[in-house]
Amino acid sequence: NAGVTQTPKFRILKIGQSMTLQCTQDMNHNYMYWYRQDPGMGLKLIYYSVGAGITDKGEVPNGYNVSRSTTEDFPLRLELAAPSQTSVYFCASSTTGRGFYEQYFGPGTRLTVT
Amino acid sequence: AQSVAQPEDQVNVAEGNPLTVKCTYSVSGNPYLFWYVQYPNRGLQFLLKYITGDNLVKGSYGFEAEFNKSQTSFHLKKPSALVSDSALYFCAVSSDRGSTLGRLYFGRGTQLTVWP
Repeated sequence: NAGVTQTPKFRILKIGQSMTLQCTQDMNHNYMYWYRQDPGMGLKLIYYSVGAGITDKGEVPNGYNVSRSTTEDFPLRLELAAPSQTSVYFCASSTTGRGFYEQYFGPGTRLTVT
Repeated sequence: AQSVAQPEDQVNVAEGNPLTVKCTYSVSGNPYLFWYVQYPNRGLQFLLKYITGDNLVKGSYGFEAEFNKSQTSFHLKKPSALVSDSALYFCAVSSDRGSTLGRLYFGRGTQLTVWP
């Protein structure tokens, strides 16, 4: 049982390039989340999904897109990378969205845009 | 709107001494409160949570937290700190109602350093 896995661990992008951050969970969780972590700012929710085929925006969705074609996978797409997207990105999952279940986090992807 | 405040960016404590990491929250509805810990270059790990019932919640690695409804606080505590407890600690809140049902709101984090 690997939990939540993310690839890549590190990436450097040039301004305007695109990339996809991969996230997979093997716990059969319906709910999945993408966060970004900026120094001293805590975690901000980018997008979340309540099940395959259903996604919704979080607090900071601009510049990102997501899809959820299977229960296991929840990729995050950056179309035109900007320096403001330099951050550490975490994927998480939970059993339900009822609020009282803890979320399980992946190890993160450290992205630098120059 | 839901929000979490961690008033201390940094907490320093000597090994063997008790530690407290503070957290206050604002939420509509009943709060669900969580503490997570992040070690360097790692993802967040769940420590403990308060859902309902006893105000004192016990979690992993000897940590506990006390829910205080009147002060809207959920401080993390440990009776005797270890050097290995040094990490970044996040408080988070969700609630049982509203359009943000199930979403977690995080504080900015508190860096705990335990020196030998």
